[in-house]
Amino acid sequence: DVKVTQSSRYLVKRTGEKVFLECVQDMDHENMFWYRQDPGLGLRLIYFSYDVKMKEKGDIPEGYSVSREKKERFSLILESASTNQTSMYLCASKGGRVGELFFGEGSRLTVL
Amino acid sequence: GIQVEQSPPDLILQEGANSTLRCNFSDSVNNLQWFHQNPWGQLINLFYIPSGTKQNGRLSATTVATERYSLLYISSSQTTDSGVYFCAATSGNFNKFYFGSGTKLNVKP
Repeated sequence: DVKVTQSSRYLVKRTGEKVFLECVQDMDHENMFWYRQDPGLGLRLIYFSYDVKMKEKGDIPEGYSVSREKKERFSLILESASTNQTSMYLCASKGGRVGELFFGEGSRLTVL
Repeated sequence: GIQVEQSPPDLILQEGANSTLRCNFSDSVNNLQWFHQNPWGQLINLFYIPSGTKQNGRLSATTVATERYSLLYISSSQTTDSGVYFCAATSGNFNKFYFGSGTKLNVKP
């Protein structure tokens, strides 16, 4: 079974802090994604990566950056957290061109 | 991009009842998946079904690609089936997933 693991289930940070959300997958998938989910807005794509060191902006990249130094790991970085980044963050991975998307457990971030 | 619409938005069932959830999409798709979001927020894969019919225990799904819809059937529902069910599709761009707004299911004992 595919395993996508997110480093933290719950985080509480202060405005202005730098926040790292880590995601690791164990299936050698080329493609990895970061989404955020908010009530009434659904799932929105922040960034995705199709290979090591390769990334593309999604629908809402402002305020976020990503890092993919190794194939299995995709990190989401909030350079200076703001209260409007309080959300549920979901990492996902997909193998190949037409593959099944698998999600991690999610990380609930609260920015005070 | 494509539009993905799910119905009904909310569904309340008595334990043991059957239900059908629907996902309509506005264009041809090359990937169609159903997920269940559990109370802790994790999206669990149910079916990868761009076309055809699949069954897994009490759940089954059918996608009629030519008519642009997919159905998720839940039989003999249990309280653990509660949560939000999402469908998601890609069309053209294999990495651009379009999610429906979900069906919130509440199964009462």
